[in-house]
Amino acid sequence: KAGVTQTPRYLIKTRGQQVTLSCSPISGHRSVSWYQQTPGQGLQFLFEYFSETQRNKGNFPGRFSGRQFSNSRSEMNVSTLELGDSALYLCASSWLAGAYTGELFFGEGSRLTVL
Amino acid sequence: KQEVTQIPAALSVPEGENLVLNCSFTDSAIYNLQWFRQDPGKGLTSLLLIQSSQREQTSGRLNASLDKSSGRSTLYIAASQPGDSATYLCAVNNDMRFGAGTRLTVKP
Repeated sequence: KAGVTQTPRYLIKTRGQQVTLSCSPISGHRSVSWYQQTPGQGLQFLFEYFSETQRNKGNFPGRFSGRQFSNSRSEMNVSTLELGDSALYLCASSWLAGAYTGELFFGEGSRLTVL
Repeated sequence: KQEVTQIPAALSVPEGENLVLNCSFTDSAIYNLQWFRQDPGKGLTSLLLIQSSQREQTSGRLNASLDKSSGRSTLYIAASQPGDSATYLCAVNNDMRFGAGTRLTVKP
């Protein structure tokens, strides 16, 4: 069974540009959540999607957005990049039942460097 | 708002030692708690998931316990090995809240 796949693994952008990251969940998982990990702030929740609808959102500015497609694949977009957006962006998938989130499975992450 | 704390932030032990990592959470109304390990620059690998109705889970040399009333979980690692060196994180899944992690170094 294939795991969570994130692309691209590494990317370099300059300030002001935008970036789109992709996440393919484990087959059968309909919940996808995104996280930003930095040395200073640790792992912070960005948002969660379930059945193409945003279910939860963390405390990030509107420059961070996401979406989920009918096949459960998800993308996140960061517009007007800032130096502070340099981070490892992680995606996790899980099955979901009501408010209960099952076991989280993570991808290897996308390492974004903003110059 | 759920807060998750992990103490200590870093731990260094000699090979073969048994050790305990701690995780505290402020809101006891949790559905489950999950422990992960993370190697440098990599994603998170799931170690153990404890559902709210369970007291503990075991996998090999790992044992995780959960005490909802006191807001605590512990991860016990028996007979530590250099390959166990990594950062260990706990998470309250339904809140999507993670601790900052404990960086473990096991010295040969």
